[in-house]
Amino acid sequence: KQEVTQIPAALSVPEGENLVLNCSFTDSAIYNLQWFRQDPGKGLTSLLLIQSSQREQTSGRLNASLDKSSGRSTLYIAASQPGDSATYLCAARGNQFYFGTGTSLTVIP
Amino acid sequence: SQTIHQWPATLVQPVGSPLSLECTVEGTSNPNLYWYRQAAGRGLQLLFYSVGIGQISSEVPQNLSASRPQDRQFILSSKKLLLSDSGFYLCASGRSSYNEQFFGPGTRLTVL
Repeated sequence: KQEVTQIPAALSVPEGENLVLNCSFTDSAIYNLQWFRQDPGKGLTSLLLIQSSQREQTSGRLNASLDKSSGRSTLYIAASQPGDSATYLCAARGNQFYFGTGTSLTVIP
Repeated sequence: SQTIHQWPATLVQPVGSPLSLECTVEGTSNPNLYWYRQAAGRGLQLLFYSVGIGQISSEVPQNLSASRPQDRQFILSSKKLLLSDSGFYLCASGRSSYNEQFFGPGTRLTVL
């Protein structure tokens, strides 16, 4: 069964810093990998979707990479802002979506 | 893109009472639909998914059930709630294995 791990579980950075969130998965047979943001008490907002044939995707200050062979994905956030504070989840898509438990990010003004 | 509606937003129910949570989807047709539960401090657990009207697959045996009476309507039900049913319930929609999955705003269920 696919297992998805996100490290660290929590991260606190000063405003303006660039940061990287990590996601690892045990089964490389995936269709795609999706990154989400979840604000407290809210649903998940889709950030980026990387197909298995792609290496990276970019949207604004966000860049996600995928290395299937090593079972890893990273989410890079440039010039972090207090509004980026949220929990970030990755999900690897095989026969269903397998979610990590998330990284809780706090950006300090 | 798709818009997913869920109601109610919050619900407090006594143990043993029935449950009905509703999810509707706009902006797409014939979507795959999903019910997830997110317990405090834990990841998302897939409960049910549906690839079409009347077609339901269960991932976790429990006292919950799901139904899909219309193409863009997905309902989560229970005849008798347990304390362990408390959690944050999320409905999601996606076109296929290669497409993004979109989530609704969720329903916070507290069973007392």
